[in-house]
Amino acid sequence: EAGVTQFPSHSVIEKGQTVTLRCDPISGHDNLYWYRRVMGKEIKFLLHFVKESKQDESGMPNNRFLAERTGGTYSTLKVQPAELEDSGVYFCASSRWDRANYGYTFGSGTRLTVV
Amino acid sequence: RKEVEQDPGPFNVPEGATVAFNCTYSNSASQSFFWYRQDCRKEPKLLMSVYSSGNEDGRFTAQLNRASQYISLLIRDSKLSDSATYLCVVFGYGGSQGNLIFGKGTKLSVKP
Repeated sequence: EAGVTQFPSHSVIEKGQTVTLRCDPISGHDNLYWYRRVMGKEIKFLLHFVKESKQDESGMPNNRFLAERTGGTYSTLKVQPAELEDSGVYFCASSRWDRANYGYTFGSGTRLTVV
Repeated sequence: RKEVEQDPGPFNVPEGATVAFNCTYSNSASQSFFWYRQDCRKEPKLLMSVYSSGNEDGRFTAQLNRASQYISLLIRDSKLSDSATYLCVVFGYGGSQGNLIFGKGTKLSVKP
């Protein structure tokens, strides 16, 4: 079974630019999540999709962040315009329907640096 | 108060040692509990789920005390390859729906 795939693995952009991160979940996983780890802090929840619907976006920091999951397959997370404090590692994860019992499988992350 | 609190360490132990990590969580309605392992610059990987009755997987033993809202992980006979950050993770209801909530992690370094 292929794991969760994220692209790119690294991105360095200037403040004010736009960056789009992509996540391909494990095939058949309806649940897809975005998390972020800012340096020195814990991994924090951003948003949760069930298929193509946003189930919970309570962790999104502000309206510069836009997540989509068209067709309920892969997802994108766009940051526009990027700010210095957006630097961190963005993890995508996916899970089966019984997510509370089995945890999530994480992708290897996108390391975003805003300069 | 943080939702999930862990001692950040680092724990520096010799090979073969037994080491224990503790974690507390604030929401008594939390539903399920996990230990994840994260190697440097890698993604978190599920190490084991934690059940009220306690559970063991080889050299690893996890315990949950719901009354005290406390989770532990015991590693016996430490190996060099156990060096990593151990994340205490709770499935809780921080937002409108349930999701995984992470502690900051406890760093373990096993030395020869």
